[in-house]
Amino acid sequence: EVQLVETGGGLVQPGRSLKLSCVASGFTFNNYWMSWTRQAPGKGLEWVASITNSGGSTYYPDSVKGRFTISRDNAQNTLYLQMNSLRSEDTATYYCTRVMGDNYFDYWGQGVMVTVSS
Amino acid sequence: DIQMTQSPASLSASLGETVTIECRASEDIYNGLAWYQQKPGKSPQLLIYNANSLHTGVPSRFSGSGSGTQYSLKINSLQSEDVASYFCQQYYNYPTFGGGTKLELK
Repeated sequence: EVQLVETGGGLVQPGRSLKLSCVASGFTFNNYWMSWTRQAPGKGLEWVASITNSGGSTYYPDSVKGRFTISRDNAQNTLYLQMNSLRSEDTATYYCTRVMGDNYFDYWGQGVMVTVSS
Repeated sequence: DIQMTQSPASLSASLGETVTIECRASEDIYNGLAWYQQKPGKSPQLLIYNANSLHTGVPSRFSGSGSGTQYSLKINSLQSEDVASYFCQQYYNYPTFGGGTKLELK
C-alpha cells in the first residue's frame, strides 16, 4: 500500500524558514517523480514544486521560485521542501504527492499545516 | 500559465441523479487533464487521468470526457459518499487546478 506521511509543519513568523519532510513507503521511491501541492484554508489547490526521480531536476511556479527548494533522499525514501522567506500567503496545508504520467498526482499524503503569522 | 475555469462552483443534487461538472482551459491541453475528489477534512484522491481514464479502484459511475479546451466529469447515479469537492487539473504545461466544485445532496 502506498503511503506518504508528511511532517514538519507548524506556526512560523513571516520571513522565517521551515522544512517539511515526507516519508514514502509501499512503492519503489526512486522510480517516481514527486511533488508538493498546497491548499490554503477553504481554497483551491496550487502546485508548489516537482522533482525528478533522480533529483537531478526541479520545477517551481513563479509564486515560490527562489524561496522554496524541493529535494529528496532516495536512500531514505524521503522528500523534502525547504521553505524560506515565508509570507502570510504561504499559509496552507501542504501535501506530498506522487507524480504519474505527464504530471498528474496519483497518491497524496494526509497533509501538514503551515501557518505563517506574527 | 494555463488557466482552468471550473463550473459550477457549487452544485446540489439528489441521490440517483446524474451530475456533470465542467472545466475549461485557457488553451488546448491535449487531454492532459485529471479530476480529483476531496471529501471534507481529507486529502484529494485521483479519479480520472488523461481526460477519460479511470484510476484504479474508482467506481465506474465516474467518467471523464472532452478534448481541446473543454472537459467534463460525469457522476451517474449519485451516491451519498460522492458528497465532496471536485477539482480538475491540467498537466499539459506546469500543473494548474480549477477552482473546485462543491457537491452537496439536495
